[in-house]
Amino acid sequence: AQTVTQSQPEMSVQEAETVTLSCTYDTSENNYYLFWYKQPPSRQMILVIRQEAYKQQNATENRFSVNFQKAAKSFSLKISDSQLGDTAMYFCAFMKHGGAQKLVFGQGTRLTINP
Amino acid sequence: GAVVSQHPSRVICKSGTSVKIECRSLDFQATTMFWYRQFPKQSLMLMATSNEGSKATYEQGVEKDKFLINHASLTLSTLTVTSAHPEDSSFYICSALGDREETQYFGPGTRLLVL
Repeated sequence: AQTVTQSQPEMSVQEAETVTLSCTYDTSENNYYLFWYKQPPSRQMILVIRQEAYKQQNATENRFSVNFQKAAKSFSLKISDSQLGDTAMYFCAFMKHGGAQKLVFGQGTRLTINP
Repeated sequence: GAVVSQHPSRVICKSGTSVKIECRSLDFQATTMFWYRQFPKQSLMLMATSNEGSKATYEQGVEKDKFLINHASLTLSTLTVTSAHPEDSSFYICSALGDREETQYFGPGTRLLVL
């Protein structure tokens, strides 16, 4: 079975700073997907970024980028030039490749951006 | 693209009544949808996988007769909480699997309060 671990329950940074959220996972699969989802106070789950395990290049989406270390089973999220609207719960998630697979979520990291 | 709606957004009902929650993929077809439950300050807990035209697959510990799932079309899945009790009060979230990207897109959630 796959597991996802987010070791930082809460983080807080000042606006415009850069912050990195940690995520590690455990799997025996070779082909899979990794995701970061954001859940702001509205509780709407929003896809932030997606990484395919077979791609060595780290995914980026504007201010959001990941550091994907497949051998270490690590998938951290870096938020550059943080904004107040980035305040949210962030969930790291794993999904096996192929068919309608389930998402396995981490426990979440509550990120607060202070003005 | 990849918009998922949920209705209602919140519902209050009396103990013993049944409540139906709808999940729709608005701009794509979804052969697979998922239903989650989320308690305050916790991660998402998968309840069941809903497949169009076939029976849902329930996670261990989730009562099939309590949480009825129907996926009658490629854009609609419904979750019915039968004979609801106060312990069923929670935040219920659905997601739909995008065919091309193998990514789950989430609805805005339904807050259920059973009195």
